[in-house]
Amino acid sequence: DIQLTQSPSFLSASVGDRVTITCRASQAIATYLAWYQQKPEKAPKLLIHGASTLLSGVPSRFSGSGSGTEFSLTITSLQPEDFATYYCQHLHSYPWTFGQGTKVEIK
Amino acid sequence: QVHVVESGGGVVQPGRSLRLSCAVSGLSLTGFAMHWVRQTPGRGLEWIAVIGYDVTRRYYTDSVRGRFTISRDNSQNTVDLEMNNLRPEDTAVYYCVREWSSGYRKGFDYWGQGTLVTVSS
Repeated sequence: DIQLTQSPSFLSASVGDRVTITCRASQAIATYLAWYQQKPEKAPKLLIHGASTLLSGVPSRFSGSGSGTEFSLTITSLQPEDFATYYCQHLHSYPWTFGQGTKVEIK
Repeated sequence: QVHVVESGGGVVQPGRSLRLSCAVSGLSLTGFAMHWVRQTPGRGLEWIAVIGYDVTRRYYTDSVRGRFTISRDNSQNTVDLEMNNLRPEDTAVYYCVREWSSGYRKGFDYWGQGTLVTVSS
């Protein structure tokens, strides 16, 4: 099975900060990677697919990059509504595992 | 309006069975695979099963293979998860999700609100 390792697990930041979350795959997955945002008591929401393509309606301050085994999610100018937990997920081969999550909290 | 609604969760003793159902409305499932994903505070998000639109494609994660069965009724827009021989480690919120794969595999674009399954004596 392909394992995904996210870092950091926890991130404390201020409104307006630029934050980057990384996701490392245990083997190459091309760009079969998605990013999700989850707020408390809510289901995850798909933000990015194909490692770097934003879903329609996702603010442009979000961006994704990477291919192979190294990926990142960057939020430029963090907004209050961005404080949440973020997960990466690979879609290369079953099982489609998720990273362990990165919780972004207000400093 | 899109509704993905899971039901059937509850408290069940170890070794017993439970059947989860997912009803989808306002959303086309034609051609779309459907999955179940579960979440626990300790293990995070865990993909557990997929069923293709034509039901010939079914895969399970190792920890549930042989105990869980995913099925769907395309005429009713429903997806079920039959869970047998439940274990305490199956305790989780279970989500029904739609796979978005036009062109290539993109991710899970629609999620239900989740249903809580608690396995405890």
